[in-house]
Amino acid sequence: ETGVTQTPRHLVMGMTNKKSLKCEQHLGHNAMYWYKQSAKKPLELMFVYNFKEQTENNSVPSRFSPECPNSSHLFLHLHTLQPEDSALYLCASSQRTGGPGANVLTFGAGSRLTVL
Amino acid sequence: GQNIDQPTEMTATEGAIVQINCTYQTSGFNGLFWYQQHAGEAPTFLSYNVLDGLEEKGRFSSFLSRSKGYSYLLLKELQMKDSASYLCAVKGYGQNFVFGPGTRLSVLP
Repeated sequence: ETGVTQTPRHLVMGMTNKKSLKCEQHLGHNAMYWYKQSAKKPLELMFVYNFKEQTENNSVPSRFSPECPNSSHLFLHLHTLQPEDSALYLCASSQRTGGPGANVLTFGAGSRLTVL
Repeated sequence: GQNIDQPTEMTATEGAIVQINCTYQTSGFNGLFWYQQHAGEAPTFLSYNVLDGLEEKGRFSSFLSRSKGYSYLLLKELQMKDSASYLCAVKGYGQNFVFGPGTRLSVLP
């Protein structure tokens, strides 16, 4: 596999469920990101990890819990979500330093989440 | 604060040239990026400007004026497959990329 892979592609969950989104990158990048894309709104940065360490948390509610066990994998754990959390969740990765390709985000195809 | 503006929608004809504008006000500037996103797909990188001027990549060019907080993406010889949303993004401090709302471009035959 190449690029950034996200699973599942589609997820429907109730407000009391607990689920997780998974992201894996095969690009050798050292930074990984979670973005939220809602209809008619800009992409919103949620979390950033550099070398497995969280460096950005964009005031995200605690019902979203990220986990980065290594520089290739990123999870987003979801619990007690609200219907307004329904959106496309995009994972991205980048090479933080070095060369003209540094900081270019490579996105996964996204996980479409529906909260009932 | 952080603010990036783009037109919501644009329409152009196959074979024509279209310019998509982006204005920004951000705390910190470390580059401006353009991404293309087809419906239901991931955004893909198109171009990057960090210094003033024009960057050309085939049918796509991007321009930046830092003093004016302004960029544009120029698409030449439009093709039907260019119908997509075009996202302007500014890299601020650290790894904070701020995205604009996107411009949905429709290319008509």
